[in-house]
Amino acid sequence: LAKTTQPISMDSYEGQEVNITCSHNNIATNDYITWYQQFPSQGPRFIIQGYKTKVTNEVASLFIPADRKSSTLSLPRVSLSDTAVYYCLVGGDNQGGKLIFGQGTELSVKP
Amino acid sequence: EAQVTQNPRYLITVTGKKLTVTCSQNMNHEYMSWYRQDPGLGLRQIYYSMNVEVTDKGDVPEGYKVSRKEKRNFPLILESPSPNQTSLYFCASSGSSGTEETQYFGPGTRLLVL
Repeated sequence: LAKTTQPISMDSYEGQEVNITCSHNNIATNDYITWYQQFPSQGPRFIIQGYKTKVTNEVASLFIPADRKSSTLSLPRVSLSDTAVYYCLVGGDNQGGKLIFGQGTELSVKP
Repeated sequence: EAQVTQNPRYLITVTGKKLTVTCSQNMNHEYMSWYRQDPGLGLRQIYYSMNVEVTDKGDVPEGYKVSRKEKRNFPLILESPSPNQTSLYFCASSGSSGTEETQYFGPGTRLLVL
């Protein structure tokens, strides 16, 4: 199973762009990279997913280099409501359903 | 509304008293799983199920049981709870076991074992 490594915490200010990088050196060929957001006492919720290159949706962008050993979640112009824990998840269905979430990155957005 | 529900949301119990946390999804998902979340340890998978009557251990299965008799339900059973099982528990479901499938999480069950 691909293990992921993320920074434990990050600080930012409202209006700034935030980039959170996840390392996954052992990613397998059929693995997707998915990011989730979690607010205190709530279940994680899906933000974005990608396989390679760049993916963008209304919430975030995901950048994946050619070797796919890392990925970067980019949040444009963060607001106070983006304060949350962000998880990077890597794994494929060849693992039989076993999924490993890392410790996550606690993002704190200040006014 | 597509959702995963868990009951109870909060539970205080004593060591050794059997309990069950229910999980139900209305999206006809094949894949369901249970996680526990503890400070500093992130989300850790307890058990998962890829379909009815098909279950397997995650990373931290000790002290837990599960069953999948119906597609929509995936209860978590603690036969003899201990204080180290005090935690926040989440149930999740997705269309399949592949990570290209989005996981939908329930609201969580906060358990305190005295």
